[in-house]
Amino acid sequence: GAVVSQHPSWVICKSGTSVKIECRSLDFQATTMFWYRQFPKQSLMLMATSNEGSKATYEQGVEKDKFLINHASLTLSTLTVTSAHPEDSSFYICSVRGRWGWNQPQHFGDGTRLSIL
Amino acid sequence: SQQGEEDPQALSIQEGENATMNCSYKTSINNLQWYRQNSGRGLVHLILIRSNEREKHSGRLRVTLDTSKKSSSLLITASRAADTASYFCATALITGGGNKLTFGTGTQLKVEL
Repeated sequence: GAVVSQHPSWVICKSGTSVKIECRSLDFQATTMFWYRQFPKQSLMLMATSNEGSKATYEQGVEKDKFLINHASLTLSTLTVTSAHPEDSSFYICSVRGRWGWNQPQHFGDGTRLSIL
Repeated sequence: SQQGEEDPQALSIQEGENATMNCSYKTSINNLQWYRQNSGRGLVHLILIRSNEREKHSGRLRVTLDTSKKSSSLLITASRAADTASYFCATALITGGGNKLTFGTGTQLKVEL
């Protein structure tokens, strides 16, 4: 069964709207979650690393005020795209990694397709 | 720049044939992972190979790692139409990488009946 639940799977909204995406770890406590962005037919680009109980670490070029991340519990991280514009339209994917260190795979959600009109 | 470059970018084969995808990377790694992504979906983990391993098998999948050449390959034997997907390698970096993976450019595999 699914290890990670991501919701919603598809969002269409007007420009200027803020959109929240949830990522839940279903099977284990996730101290670290990751948020990626993927454009059509391209690879995944890491946006930020979300750590439970502390501030997220953003990759270079990612606006932290634009993409708000909250990791308030060991099973939930949220990504809020604030005042979204058409250029924010993309496929957003979260993943989780457990407590057991480097040599473990990440488990991915099914992604959220965000379309800003 | 992207850590991993994959080759080929696209591959089309007939069902029953083998598919080979290659991945090259630039810096020292802790491990290398292969993932599959069906269209419009998230990623599914296939195999993780550690830097001190040279080959790993899982069902019809075989992964090799050559750290001297900074390259890896994924072989899918006896391919099926259901194997049609994009395949990504991802590296976990030893230094400067924190907890994160860096993904390659991906190979789009199409298996035709």
